[in-house]
Formats: sequence, structure tokens, C-alpha cells
Amino acid sequence: AQTVTQSQPEMSVQEAETVTLSCTYDTSESDYYLFWYKQPPSRQMILVIRQEAYKQQNATENRFSVNFQKAAKSFSLKISDSQLGDAAMYFCAYRESGGSNYKLTFGKGTLLTVNP
Amino acid sequence: NAGVTQTPKFQVLKTGQSMTLQCAQDMNHEYMSWYRQDPGMGLRLIHYSVGAGITDQGEVPNGYNVSRSTTEDFPLRLLSAAPSQTSVYFCASSYGTGGGRYGYTFGSGTRLTVV
Repeated sequence: AQTVTQSQPEMSVQEAETVTLSCTYDTSESDYYLFWYKQPPSRQMILVIRQEAYKQQNATENRFSVNFQKAAKSFSLKISDSQLGDAAMYFCAYRESGGSNYKLTFGKGTLLTVNP
Repeated sequence: NAGVTQTPKFQVLKTGQSMTLQCAQDMNHEYMSWYRQDPGMGLRLIHYSVGAGITDQGEVPNGYNVSRSTTEDFPLRLLSAAPSQTSVYFCASSYGTGGGRYGYTFGSGTRLTVV
């Protein structure tokens, strides 16, 4: 079974600084999707960024970017110019690409605090 | 607005009571699923469905029951509530083969307390 590991239960960053959240995963598949979700105190799950495994180029969404290392099975999230609104729980998630396995597997999350 | 509607938002149950958490989506998504979120545990899959009439167990199915009679609805039933089922529950849906490309849509969650 696929597993997703987030080794940092908590992280903190100063406003306007850069922070990187780590995620590793275990799979025997060659084609899959990886996601980062943000969960603010409102509890809503918000998709931050998505990466397709067959694409070598790292995904970027404004201040959010990923470092996808397929051979190392690593998928870290970099948040640049951190803002107070970035404070949230962040979850890394994995899903297979083909077949009929549509399940989304989550890591345990990293709680990000942004200090003014 | 299109999306996943999850009700209720909050619920308190007594041990042994039963209840149904409702989930409905209007995006014609084939795939629907239920997760529970507990502190330090992330989101764990309870049950999922890849289409009407088809359901299967996830990682933590004990004490829960599901059915999928229509594409739109995927209710989660707690048969006899236990304090260990105190959690936040999320319903999520996606396209089947396109789910990875188009992403998953989550409901707003249900905070359930069993006393």
C-alpha cells in the first residue's frame, strides 16, 4: 500500500520569509499524482498545488512551488514571501494515475505558524 | 454553487446512538469517499465508491456503513456510536480517471462528538 510521510509535525516561519515543508512517499507505481492541501482554521480543505509524476518540471502556483524528486520519492512544498494567511495545516497527498484506484492517501500533516 | 454539500456541520451523540452523515455533490463525479481526521493522524479513508451501486472499504471502516444508490449522494451511517468515533468527518469527490488531473472537491466537514 502507498504511504505518505510528513516528518515535520510543526514548522514556523517569519512573515515575508521562505519555508519548505517536506513530504516523502512510497509507491511501486511509475505514474501518479501528488498534491499539497491547505487546511486553515476554517477546516476547509484547499488544493494548493498538484504535480503529475510523468512531468519533470516542478509545479508552481504564485508563491507556492514544489521540489519533486521522483527517484528519491520526495515532494517538498516551498512557500515564498510567507504571509499571515498562510498559517494552516498542510497535507501532502498521493493518488495513482491509471487503473481504477482513485483513492487519495494523505500524510499526517504539518502545522505551519507564521510569525509577524 | 457547484460542490460537495455535507450535513450536519456539528453533531453530538450519545454512546450507542445511530446517525447518518449526508454528502451530496452536483458535479457528476464518479468517485466519492469519506475520511475521518484525528489530531496527529492526518485524514484516513473510511469508505469509498467508484459509482452508483459500488462501494468498498478504506483504511478504517469498522463501525461505519455506506451505500450509493445515486451518483449524487453518498451517506455515511454510524451504526452504534462509540467515543472512539469522535472526529471530524470529510466527504470528498472527484472524477474517476480524471481525478488526478482535475483534483478532489471536499465538503466543509462534520465535527462529531460522541459522549
